Amino acid sequence: AQKITQTQPGMFVQEKEAVTLDCTYDTSDQSYGLFWYKQPSSGEMIFLIYQGSYDEQNATEGRYSLNFQKARKSANLVISASQLGDSAMYFCAMNGGSYIPTFGRGTSLIVHP
Amino acid sequence: NAGVTQTPKFQVLKTGQSMTLQCAQDMNHEYMSWYRQDPGMGLRLIHYSVGAGITDQGEVPNGYNVSRSTTEDFPLRLLSAAPSQTSVYFCASRSGSQHYSNQPQHFGDGTRLSIL
Repeated sequence: AQKITQTQPGMFVQEKEAVTLDCTYDTSDQSYGLFWYKQPSSGEMIFLIYQGSYDEQNATEGRYSLNFQKARKSANLVISASQLGDSAMYFCAMNGGSYIPTFGRGTSLIVHP
Repeated sequence: NAGVTQTPKFQVLKTGQSMTLQCAQDMNHEYMSWYRQDPGMGLRLIHYSVGAGITDQGEVPNGYNVSRSTTEDFPLRLLSAAPSQTSVYFCASRSGSQHYSNQPQHFGDGTRLSIL
């Protein structure tokens, strides 16, 4: 069985600073994918970034990067130069050996001006 | 670019009523799924489909039915609504019919459902 743990229910960051949102996972699958999604207060789910279990380099997408540490089973999201529009819920998710993806419970990020 | 379209956006039902949440995608995706989102619980998979005519249960299937007669449409039916089914429902799709995929899911805007 897969499991995703997001230990930070809420995070605060000052505008223009960097922030790291934690995600640890547990799986017995050799091949798996890790995803981060953003959910603003308007409710839609927006894909941010993907990391495959066999990818040797950390994924990056603009201001988003994924700090992937396979041995520690962690896939932390780093947002550089935070903006007010980054205030949202962030979900870590994975897929792998079954058709049932696993989502974490989310981290609420608030960016202060 | 429509993507994934869900209707309705809001619905209030009485206990015992039935209804169908509609979901349609125009990206020719094989994999489609329904989730419910409850406060503090993240997203939990209700049912999924890997192609027309193929559906299966997710984590929380009780009280829900699905069918997939076309690639585009994946409706979710509540058979006899209960207050425990009050939630926000998301439909999603992605390309590929394999269980492991590097493709992200594309989500609809959600349906906020209240059962009185």
